Amino acid sequence: GAGVSQSPSNKVTEKGKDVELRCDPISGHTALYWYRQSLGQGLEFLIYFQGNSAPDKSGLPSDRFSAERTGGSVSTLTIQRTQQEDSAVYLCASSFGATGGEQYFGPGTRLTVT
Amino acid sequence: AQTVTQSQPEMSVQEAETVTLSCTYDTSESDYYLFWYKQPPSRQMILVIRQEAYKQQNATENRFSVNFQKAAKSFSLKISDSQLGDAAMYFCAYRSSRGDSWGKLQFGAGTQVVVTP
Repeated sequence: GAGVSQSPSNKVTEKGKDVELRCDPISGHTALYWYRQSLGQGLEFLIYFQGNSAPDKSGLPSDRFSAERTGGSVSTLTIQRTQQEDSAVYLCASSFGATGGEQYFGPGTRLTVT
Repeated sequence: AQTVTQSQPEMSVQEAETVTLSCTYDTSESDYYLFWYKQPPSRQMILVIRQEAYKQQNATENRFSVNFQKAAKSFSLKISDSQLGDAAMYFCAYRSSRGDSWGKLQFGAGTQVVVTP
Protein backbone atom coordinates (compact mmCIF):
# COMPACT_ATOMS: atom_id res chain seq x y z
CA GLY A 1 0.00 0.00 0.00
CA ALA A 2 0.94 3.67 -0.12
CA GLY A 3 3.50 4.92 2.32
CA VAL A 4 3.77 8.24 4.10
CA SER A 5 3.87 11.10 1.62
CA GLN A 6 5.08 14.64 2.13
CA SER A 7 4.80 17.76 0.05
CA PRO A 8 6.51 19.70 -1.25
CA SER A 9 9.68 17.71 -1.67
CA ASN A 10 11.73 20.88 -1.62
CA LYS A 11 10.83 24.40 -0.59
CA VAL A 12 12.87 27.56 -0.92
CA THR A 13 11.55 30.61 0.87
CA GLU A 14 12.73 34.04 1.84
CA LYS A 15 13.46 34.93 5.42
CA GLY A 16 10.37 36.24 7.13
CA LYS A 17 7.86 34.37 4.99
CA ASP A 18 5.47 31.72 6.31
CA VAL A 19 5.61 28.14 5.02
CA GLU A 20 3.32 25.14 5.26
CA LEU A 21 4.56 21.57 5.00
CA ARG A 22 2.12 18.75 4.44
CA CYS A 23 2.13 15.13 5.54
CA ASP A 24 -0.22 12.34 4.44
CA PRO A 25 0.15 9.38 6.80
CA ILE A 26 -0.46 5.76 5.98
CA SER A 27 -4.20 5.08 5.92
CA GLY A 28 -5.42 3.76 9.26
CA HIS A 29 -2.43 4.96 11.25
CA THR A 30 -3.59 6.74 14.37
CA ALA A 31 -0.32 8.38 15.36
CA LEU A 32 1.61 10.99 13.40
CA TYR A 33 5.00 12.51 14.17
CA TRP A 34 7.13 15.39 12.93
CA TYR A 35 10.91 15.46 13.19
CA ARG A 36 13.51 17.93 11.98
CA GLN A 37 16.88 16.94 10.59
CA SER A 38 19.53 19.63 10.40
CA LEU A 39 23.31 19.65 10.14
CA GLY A 40 23.82 21.35 13.45
CA GLN A 41 21.19 19.61 15.58
CA GLY A 42 20.82 16.18 14.02
CA LEU A 43 17.40 14.55 14.21
CA GLU A 44 15.01 16.24 16.63
CA PHE A 45 11.50 15.35 17.65
CA LEU A 46 9.04 18.20 17.12
CA ILE A 47 5.48 17.07 17.80
CA TYR A 48 3.23 14.04 17.71
CA PHE A 49 -0.49 13.41 17.44
CA GLN A 50 -2.25 10.31 18.76
CA GLY A 51 -5.89 9.86 17.84
CA ASN A 52 -8.07 12.52 19.42
CA SER A 53 -5.70 13.23 22.30
CA ALA A 54 -4.03 16.59 22.72
CA PRO A 55 -0.78 16.62 20.74
CA ASP A 56 2.59 16.51 22.46
CA LYS A 57 4.19 19.78 21.36
CA SER A 58 7.16 19.55 23.67
CA GLY A 59 9.69 19.48 20.83
CA LEU A 60 8.59 22.59 18.99
CA PRO A 61 11.56 25.00 19.11
CA SER A 62 9.59 28.24 19.25
CA ASP A 63 6.09 29.67 19.01
CA ARG A 64 6.71 30.30 15.32
CA PHE A 65 6.15 26.58 14.82
CA SER A 66 2.69 25.02 14.92
CA ALA A 67 1.05 21.91 13.57
CA GLU A 68 -2.43 20.60 13.13
CA ARG A 69 -3.96 17.34 12.08
CA THR A 70 -7.32 17.52 10.40
CA GLY A 71 -9.80 14.66 10.59
CA GLY A 72 -7.23 12.41 12.19
CA SER A 73 -5.37 12.13 8.92
CA VAL A 74 -3.45 14.82 7.05
CA SER A 75 -1.14 17.07 9.05
CA THR A 76 0.29 20.48 8.28
CA LEU A 77 3.39 21.91 9.93
CA THR A 78 3.45 25.69 9.74
CA ILE A 79 6.50 27.85 10.30
CA GLN A 80 5.83 31.55 10.60
CA ARG A 81 8.35 34.30 9.91
CA THR A 82 10.98 31.80 8.80
CA GLN A 83 14.59 32.26 9.85
CA GLN A 84 17.73 30.88 8.26
CA GLU A 85 18.18 28.47 11.16
CA ASP A 86 14.87 26.86 10.16
CA SER A 87 16.60 25.43 7.09
CA ALA A 88 16.45 21.67 7.49
CA VAL A 89 14.75 18.50 6.30
CA TYR A 90 11.38 18.04 7.95
CA LEU A 91 10.41 14.38 8.30
CA CYS A 92 6.95 13.05 8.99
CA ALA A 93 6.20 9.56 10.31
CA SER A 94 3.10 7.61 11.22
CA SER A 95 2.36 4.49 13.22
CA PHE A 96 -0.55 2.25 14.06
CA GLY A 97 -1.88 1.40 17.48
CA ALA A 98 -2.20 2.88 20.94
CA THR A 99 1.31 1.96 21.94
CA GLY A 100 2.91 3.55 18.93
CA GLY A 101 4.37 0.66 17.05
CA GLU A 102 6.89 1.03 14.31
CA GLN A 103 7.15 4.50 12.86
CA TYR A 104 7.10 4.66 9.08
CA PHE A 105 8.77 7.73 7.65
CA GLY A 106 8.04 9.85 4.61
CA PRO A 107 10.73 11.17 2.25
CA GLY A 108 10.84 14.54 3.97
CA THR A 109 10.63 18.14 2.85
CA ARG A 110 13.87 20.03 2.43
CA LEU A 111 13.32 23.63 3.51
CA THR A 112 15.83 26.28 2.54
CA VAL A 113 15.43 29.78 3.95
CA THR A 114 17.39 32.41 2.02
CA ALA B 1 16.47 12.90 29.80
CA GLN B 2 17.76 10.14 27.63
CA THR B 3 20.72 10.58 25.30
CA VAL B 4 21.89 8.40 22.46
CA THR B 5 25.54 8.41 21.41
CA GLN B 6 27.04 7.12 18.20
CA SER B 7 30.77 7.68 18.37
CA GLN B 8 31.67 6.61 14.83
CA PRO B 9 30.94 9.31 12.25
CA GLU B 10 31.93 6.99 9.40
CA MET B 11 32.71 3.32 8.88
CA SER B 12 34.07 1.74 5.75
CA VAL B 13 33.61 -1.92 4.81
CA GLN B 14 34.36 -4.05 1.78
CA GLU B 15 31.64 -5.96 0.04
CA ALA B 16 30.92 -9.33 1.68
CA GLU B 17 32.70 -8.28 4.86
CA THR B 18 31.22 -7.49 8.27
CA VAL B 19 30.95 -4.12 9.97
CA THR B 20 29.78 -3.25 13.47
CA LEU B 21 28.26 0.09 14.41
CA SER B 22 28.33 1.25 18.01
CA CYS B 23 25.57 2.90 19.99
CA THR B 24 25.34 3.72 23.67
CA TYR B 25 22.49 5.38 25.51
CA ASP B 26 21.76 6.84 28.86
CA THR B 27 18.47 6.20 30.65
CA SER B 28 17.07 5.57 34.10
CA GLU B 29 14.17 3.58 32.71
CA SER B 30 13.98 -0.20 32.76
CA ASP B 31 11.54 -0.65 29.90
CA TYR B 32 12.15 0.92 26.51
CA TYR B 33 12.72 0.21 22.84
CA LEU B 34 15.82 0.55 20.72
CA PHE B 35 15.97 0.83 16.96
CA TRP B 36 18.41 1.06 14.09
CA TYR B 37 17.24 3.09 11.12
CA LYS B 38 18.91 3.37 7.73
CA GLN B 39 18.77 6.59 5.70
CA PRO B 40 20.03 6.34 2.11
CA PRO B 41 20.55 9.46 -0.03
CA SER B 42 16.84 9.40 -0.89
CA ARG B 43 16.24 10.64 2.71
CA GLN B 44 13.71 7.89 3.40
CA MET B 45 14.26 6.52 6.91
CA ILE B 46 13.91 2.75 6.89
CA LEU B 47 13.64 0.63 10.01
CA VAL B 48 16.38 -1.99 10.03
CA ILE B 49 15.84 -3.69 13.36
CA ARG B 50 14.20 -3.17 16.74
CA GLN B 51 14.85 -4.47 20.24
CA GLU B 52 12.60 -4.46 23.26
CA ALA B 53 14.57 -3.92 26.45
CA TYR B 54 12.70 -6.63 28.35
CA LYS B 55 13.83 -9.25 25.84
CA GLN B 56 17.22 -10.74 26.56
CA GLN B 57 17.52 -12.34 23.14
CA ASN B 58 19.28 -10.20 20.57
CA ALA B 59 17.16 -9.26 17.56
CA THR B 60 18.14 -10.50 14.11
CA GLU B 61 16.85 -9.56 10.67
CA ASN B 62 18.56 -11.45 7.87
CA ARG B 63 22.09 -10.00 7.59
CA PHE B 64 21.50 -7.52 10.40
CA SER B 65 21.86 -8.40 14.05
CA VAL B 66 22.31 -6.51 17.28
CA ASN B 67 24.33 -7.00 20.42
CA PHE B 68 22.15 -5.61 23.19
CA GLN B 69 23.92 -5.19 26.52
CA LYS B 70 21.33 -3.72 28.87
CA ALA B 71 23.58 -3.29 31.89
CA ALA B 72 26.19 -1.54 29.79
CA LYS B 73 23.51 0.44 27.92
CA SER B 74 25.01 -0.61 24.64
CA PHE B 75 23.24 -1.50 21.41
CA SER B 76 25.53 -2.27 18.49
CA LEU B 77 24.49 -3.24 14.97
CA LYS B 78 26.34 -5.86 12.95
CA ILE B 79 25.95 -5.94 9.20
CA SER B 80 27.15 -9.23 7.76
CA ASP B 81 27.99 -9.96 4.13
CA SER B 82 27.86 -6.24 3.34
CA GLN B 83 26.34 -5.21 0.02
CA LEU B 84 26.62 -2.01 -1.99
CA GLY B 85 23.00 -1.28 -1.15
CA ASP B 86 23.87 -1.12 2.54
CA ALA B 87 25.68 2.18 1.99
CA ALA B 88 23.72 4.78 3.94
CA MET B 89 23.58 6.76 7.15
CA TYR B 90 22.60 4.59 10.09
CA PHE B 91 20.86 6.02 13.12
CA CYS B 92 20.42 4.46 16.52
CA ALA B 93 17.21 5.52 18.26
CA TYR B 94 15.62 5.17 21.70
CA ARG B 95 11.95 5.21 22.57
CA SER B 96 10.58 5.28 26.08
CA SER B 97 7.71 3.09 27.22
CA ARG B 98 6.40 5.81 29.51
CA GLY B 99 2.90 6.91 28.60
CA ASP B 100 3.86 10.56 28.33
CA SER B 101 6.92 9.92 26.18
CA TRP B 102 6.19 6.87 24.07
CA GLY B 103 5.84 8.75 20.82
CA LYS B 104 9.25 10.35 20.76
CA LEU B 105 12.18 8.75 19.05
CA GLN B 106 15.52 10.10 20.26
CA PHE B 107 18.24 9.66 17.71
CA GLY B 108 21.99 9.46 17.80
CA ALA B 109 24.12 11.57 15.46
CA GLY B 110 24.40 8.80 12.90
CA THR B 111 27.16 6.70 11.34
CA GLN B 112 27.86 6.89 7.62
CA VAL B 113 28.53 3.42 6.20
CA VAL B 114 30.63 3.30 3.05
CA VAL B 115 30.76 0.02 1.14
CA THR B 116 33.65 -0.50 -1.24
CA PRO B 117 33.69 -3.11 -4.03
